[in-house]
Amino acid sequence: GAGVSQSPSNKVTEKGKDVELRCDPISGHTALYWYRQSLGQGLEFLIYFQGNSAPDKSGLPSDRFSAERTGGSVSTLTIQRTQQEDSAVYLCASSTDRGSQETQYFGPGTRLLVL
Amino acid sequence: GDSVTQMEGPVTLSEEAFLTINCTYTATGYPSLFWYVQYPGEGLQLLLKATKADDKGSNKGFEATYRKETTSFHLEKGSVQVSDSAVYFCALSKAGSARQLTFGSGTQLTVLP
Repeated sequence: GAGVSQSPSNKVTEKGKDVELRCDPISGHTALYWYRQSLGQGLEFLIYFQGNSAPDKSGLPSDRFSAERTGGSVSTLTIQRTQQEDSAVYLCASSTDRGSQETQYFGPGTRLLVL
Repeated sequence: GDSVTQMEGPVTLSEEAFLTINCTYTATGYPSLFWYVQYPGEGLQLLLKATKADDKGSNKGFEATYRKETTSFHLEKGSVQVSDSAVYFCALSKAGSARQLTFGSGTQLTVLP
């Protein structure tokens, strides 16, 4: 079946603009995760959804970052008033929600460049 | 908090050489341990995992054993190939509200023919 898909694959934006990143998880996966991969910080966890709710938002780096998930499927990560330090690859992953031992399947990522 | 420390790269080996990439972790409780691989231009893929002490994960000739006494999960392969060139990430996951993966910094492996 289809894997995790993300769009756009690349996004170039100007500092101060808002961006929306989309993730389509594997069908039937109730858990969805957002991570950020940047040169200086490595791979960082941002947020986790269990169904449509996010029990833990502590990984979001600032209040400019928000995420939602609707219908237990598609998720959108929104970055408001982008800054140059937001430049990174944003990765989405999904898994079944049976426990921490479950494999997370990653999408190809969205490469964001803030000029 | 939880953390993962892995061997600094880059690592360059000749084809058919033996590979070890060290990984140690700090975590309370009993995490699950993973190795993910990122091939050039591709996304992260699970390579192998182990969910309890003394478990051995294996895939594509790679192996790693969950050692609770040394809090380690070293990745090994007996004979690397050029196609194994990639970035390897060690990670842990714990039960709890978030269940997120905590990653190491990654190790770049280059295998020369």
